[in-house]
Amino acid sequence: AQKVTQAQTEISVVEKEDVTLDCVYETRDTTYYLFWYKQPPSGELVFLIRRNSFDEQNEISGRYSWNFQKSTSSFNFTITASQVVDSAVYFCALSEGSTLGRLYFGRGTQLTVWP
Amino acid sequence: DAGVTQSPTHLIKTRGQQVTLRCSPKSGHDTVSWYQQALGQGPQFIFQYYEEEERQRGNFPDRFSGHQFPNYSSELNVNALLLGDSALYLCASSLGGAGISEAYNEQFFGPGTRLTVL
Repeated sequence: AQKVTQAQTEISVVEKEDVTLDCVYETRDTTYYLFWYKQPPSGELVFLIRRNSFDEQNEISGRYSWNFQKSTSSFNFTITASQVVDSAVYFCALSEGSTLGRLYFGRGTQLTVWP
Repeated sequence: DAGVTQSPTHLIKTRGQQVTLRCSPKSGHDTVSWYQQALGQGPQFIFQYYEEEERQRGNFPDRFSGHQFPNYSSELNVNALLLGDSALYLCASSLGGAGISEAYNEQFFGPGTRLTVL
């Protein structure tokens, strides 16, 4: 079974639009970590954020914000006022307390921001 | 401070051959994990090395093996290559050790090695 589901395969927006990337996870562990990574065309995964299962406080960092809801097992990522440089593949990932260090990735969402 | 480095950048092999990929972790990191990313997919965990031993392994056949050296660098070996082994191979480093800590989970990824099997 897929532990991390990113239902949106591709999203296209025009610059300055807001966009939300969805992530749903599945785990039986009570201790776990959720991540978002960005993968530009160069291929290197860039770490964006990490949340632990005991901290449901939403976070804002500049144009980025994250909404973590344990009740719906979701960890959504919003980019406000998108820019062309935001174009990339975004991955949501899960690390469980029982297998720390091993990341389970979703299939990714390709975001294209048009000028 | 050098980040995670991988070599080579690109590699082309034919079916049945063997390949070795290399990874140097971020300075100060002692744990190396390898991931396979097929085109259009998310990375899949292959295995993780700590203190020169394989600590965890994903659902990959024995054709995939690895090694970690005393300086924490690592190699990924794939024998009897199949067409389906064509992928981007990513190395990630982190700070391991006994116990559970937030730092244990923060993994830094290298640029990857693009392997093409013909």
